[in-house]
Amino acid sequence: EVQLVESGGGLVHPGGSLRLSCGASNFTFSSYAMSWVRQAPGKGLEWVSAFSGSGGTTYYADSVKGRFTISRDNSKNTLFLQMNSLRAEDTAVYYCARHRGSYSGTLDYWGQGTLVTVSS
Amino acid sequence: DIQMTQSPSSLSASVGDRVTITCRASQDISSYLNWYQQKPGKAPKILIYAASNLQSGVPSRFSGSGSGTEFTLTISSLQPEDFATYYCQQSFLTPRLTFGGGTKVEIK
Repeated sequence: EVQLVESGGGLVHPGGSLRLSCGASNFTFSSYAMSWVRQAPGKGLEWVSAFSGSGGTTYYADSVKGRFTISRDNSKNTLFLQMNSLRAEDTAVYYCARHRGSYSGTLDYWGQGTLVTVSS
Repeated sequence: DIQMTQSPSSLSASVGDRVTITCRASQDISSYLNWYQQKPGKAPKILIYAASNLQSGVPSRFSGSGSGTEFTLTISSLQPEDFATYYCQQSFLTPRLTFGGGTKVEIK
């Protein structure tokens, strides 16, 4: 069974940084595009960033562009999200999710999420 | 950007009811539309992909239809385990995905 496990969330002050990790198992990680999706408390889902399965192309929502950096280590089956200059509005549960294929927009597996709280 | 608008934002229904949720896209997205179910404290789960294709393992009481700008998710006979929030999501601009605001299905 495909597994995605996020870690690295926590409480951080405004302007601070945090690095999220997503460990993947039971599939060929390097062959799949991966995304981060967040959900603010009591709110809906917001796509944050994606990393292509091949070619190393990255994509960002306008709300995080220039502050967040997505990366992946295919040798360790791990996806990362480096979050800098954090704001209160970045407070959310962050999910990593697998795209069905390299060019698919369907997120077929999700992790359990990790909570990021930005507060002074 | 493509905006996705769901209606209603919430609804109350009884077990056995037929439930329909609508999702509208701000531009033509062909059939690049997915539906997810999310229960409290849990990650979303894919139900329907490409507008009308049932994900493996999802009960057949769930169905999706539509193309272009208007889509529907139908639950033919609501079951207790179906009380949840449902989200549509466009994949026309993959990987820049956009979700609808969600529809919360509550017990009447």
